[in-house]
Amino acid sequence: AQSVTQLDSQVPVFEEAPVELRCNYSSSVSVYLFWYVQYPNQGLQLLLKYLSGSTLVKGINGFEAEFNKSQTSFHLRKPSVHISDTAEYFCAVHTDKLIFGTGTRLQVFP
Amino acid sequence: KAGVTQTPRYLIKTRGQQVTLSCSPISGHRSVSWYQQTPGQGLQFLFEYFSETQRNKGNFPGRFSGRQFSNSRSEMNVSTLELGDSALYLCASSLVQGPSTDTQYFGPGTRLTVL
Repeated sequence: AQSVTQLDSQVPVFEEAPVELRCNYSSSVSVYLFWYVQYPNQGLQLLLKYLSGSTLVKGINGFEAEFNKSQTSFHLRKPSVHISDTAEYFCAVHTDKLIFGTGTRLQVFP
Repeated sequence: KAGVTQTPRYLIKTRGQQVTLSCSPISGHRSVSWYQQTPGQGLQFLFEYFSETQRNKGNFPGRFSGRQFSNSRSEMNVSTLELGDSALYLCASSLVQGPSTDTQYFGPGTRLTVL
């Protein structure tokens, strides 16, 4: 069975600092990987996705993620965060349905 | 283009009642998926509809059901409500079936509280 592990439930960081949100997945078959962001009282918004091809995926709002098959990881990175990046971030894997991780709350401080 | 809309946004019910939630997808989208979000269980897939047919189903009891109409609007129904059904229910739509082939767009959700 597929599963997704987000290793950090909360990540505090100062504005303009770099950030990495970690995600590991388990699957015995080829997977498609996603990162979503959820702002307070809103639905989910797709940040980026990996389907195939280049292992470095660039998304919206300056985020990027790297697919590492040998380490079964899909970590999300941003070189310089803003206050407005404060939100909940979800990693997800799709085979026949979307399976989400438990989420990482990114808190950006001024 | 209007986004995914969900009605109502907030709902309060008591145990044993039933509830119907509605989702209107983005115009032209034919696939609608439903998810339940709770603090304890996180985001869990309920079901996906495409062209009025249920294409996939998550691990939820039969009290949870859904349907899709010819205009792609979808409803989900929960019968005999339990306290544990309190959650944010999210709907997502896409042009075609499955997020691996097309981006899913999420609505703002319906917050259901069961007393």
